[in-house]
Amino acid sequence: AQSVTQPDIHITVSEGASLELRCNYSYGATPYLFWYVQSPGQGLQLLLKYFSGDTLVQGIKGFEAEFKRSQSSFNLRKPSVHWSDAAEYFCAVGARGGYNKLIFGAGTRLAVHP
Amino acid sequence: DGGITQSPKYLFRKEGQNVTLSCEQNLNHDAMYWYRQDPGQGLRLIYYSQIVNDFQKGDIAEGYSVSREKKESFPLTVTSAQKNPTAFYLCASSTATYGYTFGSGTRLTVV
Repeated sequence: AQSVTQPDIHITVSEGASLELRCNYSYGATPYLFWYVQSPGQGLQLLLKYFSGDTLVQGIKGFEAEFKRSQSSFNLRKPSVHWSDAAEYFCAVGARGGYNKLIFGAGTRLAVHP
Repeated sequence: DGGITQSPKYLFRKEGQNVTLSCEQNLNHDAMYWYRQDPGQGLRLIYYSQIVNDFQKGDIAEGYSVSREKKESFPLTVTSAQKNPTAFYLCASSTATYGYTFGSGTRLTVV
């Protein structure tokens, strides 16, 4: 069955520290991969996406993610976290081609200490 | 500016009452989706529509209904058959080459 696992429910980091949020997926083929961010009471904003090509993807707000086919992973990273990065982060996968519904992970809530 | 508008932002439902959540987009996207969000469970798909006058059930469609009479609009009705409707509801739209755009959500509470 298709699924997305975000192993960390909550993560706390200090401002200025580096960040890595984990995402593993189970899918029949290489899917499209996404990371979204959600502030409390708001909708989701797309951070970055991987369709094909370079496995290191750059996104908005200084985030990047690396697709590792052998590990079925798509981890999100940021070298230096800002207090404004505190939010919930969702990894999602979808089938290639056409209009396809996305499958979301349960999310990782990030807290940032000053 | 193009985007998705969900209304109302907050909605209260009495026991046994049907309520309708509005979702309108001006992005000219063909596909639209409704997701339900509960704490710790991520987003679960309720219904989706790829073209006007056509829609498909998602993973948790029981107790919900939708219509797609116009490309721009995809309202969701939470019926009295939905026994646990308190949640945050998100509407999204997309093109065939992807790029989900989300609305800002409606928080539904049963009173």
